[in-house]
Parts: sequence; C-alpha cells; structure tokens
Amino acid sequence: AQSVSQHNHHVILSEAASLELGCNYSYGGTVNLFWYVQYPGQHLQLLLKYFSGDPLVKGIKGFEAEFIKSKFSFNLRKPSVQWSDTAEYFCAVTNQAGTALIFGKGTTLSVSS
Amino acid sequence: SAVISQKPSRDICQRGTSLTIQCQVDSQVTMMFWYRQQPGQSLTLIATANQGSEATYESGFVIDKFPISRPNLTFSTLTVSNLSPEDSSIYLCSVDGGSYGYTFGSGTRLTVV
Repeated sequence: AQSVSQHNHHVILSEAASLELGCNYSYGGTVNLFWYVQYPGQHLQLLLKYFSGDPLVKGIKGFEAEFIKSKFSFNLRKPSVQWSDTAEYFCAVTNQAGTALIFGKGTTLSVSS
Repeated sequence: SAVISQKPSRDICQRGTSLTIQCQVDSQVTMMFWYRQQPGQSLTLIATANQGSEATYESGFVIDKFPISRPNLTFSTLTVSNLSPEDSSIYLCSVDGGSYGYTFGSGTRLTVV
C-alpha cells in the first residue's frame, strides 16, 4: 500500500530563512503529488500539485516543489519564509488505485519574526 | 473546482450515541472520500464511497463503526456509531477535482463526552 513519509516533524525558522520540507512515498507507479497547508484554525488549502511534465512545480505564496522520480521524493521549498507561513504542511500522494489521497504525518513550521 | 458543503461543523455527543455527517457537492462526482484527523495528527483515509455500491474501507475501519451512504452523485453521509472519547476528531469529506486537485469540506469537529 502507498505510504508517505515526511521527515521533519517540527521546523523552526527565522523570517527570511530558506525552507525545504522533505517528502518521500513508497509506491513506484504513476502517482499524483500534492502539498497542502493548514493554517491555525483553518481547513486544508492546496499549495501545489504535480501530475506530469516539468518536475519543478510552482504553487501559491512563493512555494515550489520538485518531483524526483528516482528518489520517490517531492520536496517543498521556499527561498524566504515569512511569519505568515507558520502552519502545518502536509504532503499527499495518490494511492495505488490512483483514486484517494494518502497523507504524510505533516510538518509543523514555526516562523519567528 | 468543486465546492463541498459539510455539516454539522461541530457537535458534542454522548458516549454510545451516533453522529451522522453530511457532505453535499455542487457537481456530480464518481467518488467521495472520508477522512479522520485526530487531534494534532494528519488525515487518515477512512473509506471511499462510490454511488451505487458499497463503500471501500481502509485497514482499521469497519462498516459497523463507520457506515456510509452514497445515494446519488452529489451527496454522501458518514455515521460514526457507538461513540467513545477516542472518536473525538475532525471528520472531512473530499472529492477529486481533477486538474484542480482534491477539494475538502470544511470538516466536522466531533467531541465525545
């Protein structure tokens, strides 16, 4: 069965620092990949997604992610974080049937001003 | 992208009772997905609901505890039965929005007392 690993449980950064959050998945077939963000007290919001094509995808709010098929990875990056980026970040990958999303455990990002 | 109306938004229930959660989508969708987000945790897929057939449950979730109804292509309900405090979670429904990614309902926060 598909599984998703997020390596960083809690990341603490200062404003303007660069961010990279790791995400790896287990199933080697065709997958669609997503990053979602959940701000405190709010519901999930899609940051970006990868279906096919250019493995470097750009999302909202200056986030980007790179799909590396050989490494089963889909890491999230942002060159310069802001205090408002403080949130929970979830990597999600479609299951082997290509239907539902399977989520990683999430990474809490805390940005100090 | 699809818009999902989920209700109730929150409820407090007594042990041993049941809660039924409703999700209405503004367009016809083949599959609807139900997730649980326990406090401080990620989203765990409970089941996939197809119209006209039995829901498909993930490992660790059973129909007697989480019966699902899918009477048409725009509506689904999830019932959480015989409630215990361990069922206190946020429950979310989701649909595949195609190129827009997966859309989530705003969630139902269940507290069991």
